[in-house]
Amino acid sequence: ILNVEQSPQSLHVQEGDSTNFTCSFPSSNFYALHWYRWETAKSPEALFVMTLNGDEKKKGRISATLNTKEGYSYLYIKGSQPEDSATYLCAQGDKLIFGTGTRLQVFP
Amino acid sequence: GAVVSQHPSRVICKSGTSVKIECRSLDFQATTMFWYRQFPKKSLMLMATSNEGSKATYEQGVEKDKFLINHASLTLSTLTVTSAHPEDSSFYICSARDQATGEGEKLFFGSGTQLSVL
Repeated sequence: ILNVEQSPQSLHVQEGDSTNFTCSFPSSNFYALHWYRWETAKSPEALFVMTLNGDEKKKGRISATLNTKEGYSYLYIKGSQPEDSATYLCAQGDKLIFGTGTRLQVFP
Repeated sequence: GAVVSQHPSRVICKSGTSVKIECRSLDFQATTMFWYRQFPKKSLMLMATSNEGSKATYEQGVEKDKFLINHASLTLSTLTVTSAHPEDSSFYICSARDQATGEGEKLFFGSGTQLSVL
């Protein structure tokens, strides 16, 4: 059984700060790593799907890296804005085992 | 982008009744949909994979007679919680892949259903 872990559990930052969080997963039998943003009262929204070791993806101020050999992915947000406040989920595997998420709050 | 509609968003029912939750892909066809359950402060847990025109595939520990899944068309999957009890109270959410796009691995989610059984 895959065990996907995310840290920190929650994070409070000031507007303009850059931040990052971690997703850890077993490195054996890697399939694909997903990142989703889940705003309150909305549907989770896909940010990235990453499949290759060393992959780096970027979408605006948000970027992610992937290390399949050591079993981790980082999500970075540059210059955080209040609208970035959400829970960020990662998931791994062909059946997508989810972590518990990192809840980000950005204060103006 | 692809849209998945789920309803109801919230339902309160008496113990012993059955509750049906619908998940629709609005602008794409989904041969496969996924149903998740989330307990407070826990991760999304895959319950079952819904396959259009065939039986759903249930994850270990999920009672198929308790959680009936029907995927009768390419745009609709339903989850029925039969004879609901308070321990079935939870947040249920569906998702689907739009395999017609270049990003077939990405999941599109409904907005979830909060079920409360009294």
